[in-house]
Amino acid sequence: AQTVTQSQPEMSVQEAETVTLSCTYDTSESDYYLFWYKQPPSRQMILVIRQEAYKQQNATENRFSVNFQKAAKSFSLKISDSQLGDAAMYFCAYSPQGGSEKLVFGKGTKLTVNP
Amino acid sequence: NAGVTQTPKFQVLKTGQSMTLQCAQDMNHEYMSWYRQDPGMGLRLIHYSVGAGITDQGEVPNGYNVSRSTTEDFPLRLLSAAPSQTSVYFCASRYRARPGYEQYFGPGTRLTVT
Repeated sequence: AQTVTQSQPEMSVQEAETVTLSCTYDTSESDYYLFWYKQPPSRQMILVIRQEAYKQQNATENRFSVNFQKAAKSFSLKISDSQLGDAAMYFCAYSPQGGSEKLVFGKGTKLTVNP
Repeated sequence: NAGVTQTPKFQVLKTGQSMTLQCAQDMNHEYMSWYRQDPGMGLRLIHYSVGAGITDQGEVPNGYNVSRSTTEDFPLRLLSAAPSQTSVYFCASRYRARPGYEQYFGPGTRLTVT
């Protein structure tokens, strides 16, 4: 069974600084998708960024980028120029390419942004 | 589009009561699913559906029932509520043909069972 591990229950960063959230996963599949979701205090789940495993290039969305290391099964999220609005729970998630509809989540990392 | 809607937003039940959490989407998504979120546990899949009339179990299905009579609606039924079912419940949907694309989540239902 696929598993997703986020080893940092909590992280903090100063406003305007950079922070990296870690995620590792376990799968025997070769093709799959990885996601980072943000959950602010409103509870709404918001997609931050996604990565297709067959693409070697790391995904980037504005201030958010990932470091995808397929061989190491690592998928970290880097937030640059952190803003107060980035404070939230961040969840790493895995989805197989096909044959299963399951989205597997990690336990989350709570990010605090200090002014 | 309203996206994914869930009702109610909050609910308190007594042990043994039954209720239905409602979920609807207006994006014509084939795939819909229910997750529960517990502190320190992330989101776990309860049940999912790949289309009207087709449902299957996820990771934590016990105590829950689902059916999918239309593309738009995917209700989750608690048969006999237990304190262990106190949680936040999320409904999500996406196009089935796009597993790598975004799942759209509803705003969640906070359920407390006393």
